[in-house]
Amino acid sequence: KAGVTQTPRYLIKTRGQQVTLSCSPISGHRSVSWYQQTPGQGLQFLFEYFSETQRNKGNFPGRFSGRQFSNSRSEMNVSTLELGDSALYLCASSLTRVPNEKLFFGSGTQLSVL
Amino acid sequence: LAKTTQPISMDSYEGQEVNITCSHNNIATNDYITWYQQFPSQGPRFIIQGYKTKVTNEVASLFIPADRKSSTLSLPRVSLSDTAVYYCLVGFKAAGNKLTFGGGTRVLVKP
Repeated sequence: KAGVTQTPRYLIKTRGQQVTLSCSPISGHRSVSWYQQTPGQGLQFLFEYFSETQRNKGNFPGRFSGRQFSNSRSEMNVSTLELGDSALYLCASSLTRVPNEKLFFGSGTQLSVL
Repeated sequence: LAKTTQPISMDSYEGQEVNITCSHNNIATNDYITWYQQFPSQGPRFIIQGYKTKVTNEVASLFIPADRKSSTLSLPRVSLSDTAVYYCLVGFKAAGNKLTFGGGTRVLVKP
């Protein structure tokens, strides 16, 4: 079974731009959750999507948004990029909704904002 | 405040047992504790999950005392390949199911 696939692997943007990251979950998994990982703040939960609806959201500004498609694939969008948005963005899929499900993570998208 | 706290780092030697403790004072009755392992340039990988008392699988054990305010991940007989960062995760239902990771414990296994 293929794992969680995130694209692109690396991304360089400048301040003020927007970016869209993609996540393909494991086949059959219906929940996709997103996380930001930085050396200073560690791993932080962004949001969870299940059945094409955002079910849960972490403490991030509205510039961070996402969506989920009918095939469970998910995208995350960050608008008006700031230098502090430079991070590794991870997505994880699970059979059903978090928080007590086993999460399967992708390798992440490394975003650099210049 | 939903928070998980774990030591920043610890060193060990091959063949020894490594125990990492995570504090989660505001855990609720139905909140689970999960541990993940992360290598550089990879996403975290599931190790073990527990709810109470003790859980054991082929790679680790998880000990949860009766008050559930902390939990301990035990890695028996570590090898060099166990050098990684270990995260505890609690999904605090009282905080709206917001998944809260500990800061991660960097484990270095020496030969």
